[in-house]
Amino acid sequence: AQTVTQSQPEMSVQEAETVTLSCTYDTSESNYYLFWYKQPPSRQMILVIRQEAYKQQNATENRFSVNFQKAAKSFSLKISDSQLGDTAMYFCAFMRVQGAQKLVFGQGTRLTINP
Amino acid sequence: SQTIHQWPATLVQPVGSPLSLECTVEGTSNPNLYWYRQAAGRGLQLLFYSVGIGQISSEVPQNLSASRPQDRQFILSSKKLLLSDSGFYLCAWRPSYNSPLHFGNGTRLTVT
Repeated sequence: AQTVTQSQPEMSVQEAETVTLSCTYDTSESNYYLFWYKQPPSRQMILVIRQEAYKQQNATENRFSVNFQKAAKSFSLKISDSQLGDTAMYFCAFMRVQGAQKLVFGQGTRLTINP
Repeated sequence: SQTIHQWPATLVQPVGSPLSLECTVEGTSNPNLYWYRQAAGRGLQLLFYSVGIGQISSEVPQNLSASRPQDRQFILSSKKLLLSDSGFYLCAWRPSYNSPLHFGNGTRLTVT
């Protein structure tokens, strides 16, 4: 079974700073997808970014980028020029390509952006 | 456009009462549907998923059940709620293979 670990329960940075959230996962699959979801105080789950394991290039979405290290099974999220609206819980998630496609989530990192 | 509706948004139920949470998806056909539960301050736990009408897979044996009576409708039920059923329930759907999940707004359930 796949597992996803987020080792930072909480993080806090100043507005405009850069912050990196860590995620590691365990799987025997060779092909899979990784995601970062954001859950603001409204509790809506919002997709931030996705990465296909077969792609070596790291995904980027505006101020959000990932550092995908397949051999190390690491998938960190970098938020540049952080904004107050980035305050949220961030969840790393894994989905296999073959078979039943279910999202397996980490426990989340609570990120606070301070003014 | 494709949208997901989940209701009710908030529910307070006594122990031993029945439960029915409903989720519908619009603008697509044959979606994969999911029910997740989130305990306070924790990650999401997959409860059930469905790849088609009448096809339900259970991930965690518990007091809950799920049904998919129509292509775009997914229902989470319980005959008798327990205190431990309290939590935030999220319905999600996936439009096609290898696409990410999209979530509804969730239902906050408090069992008293």
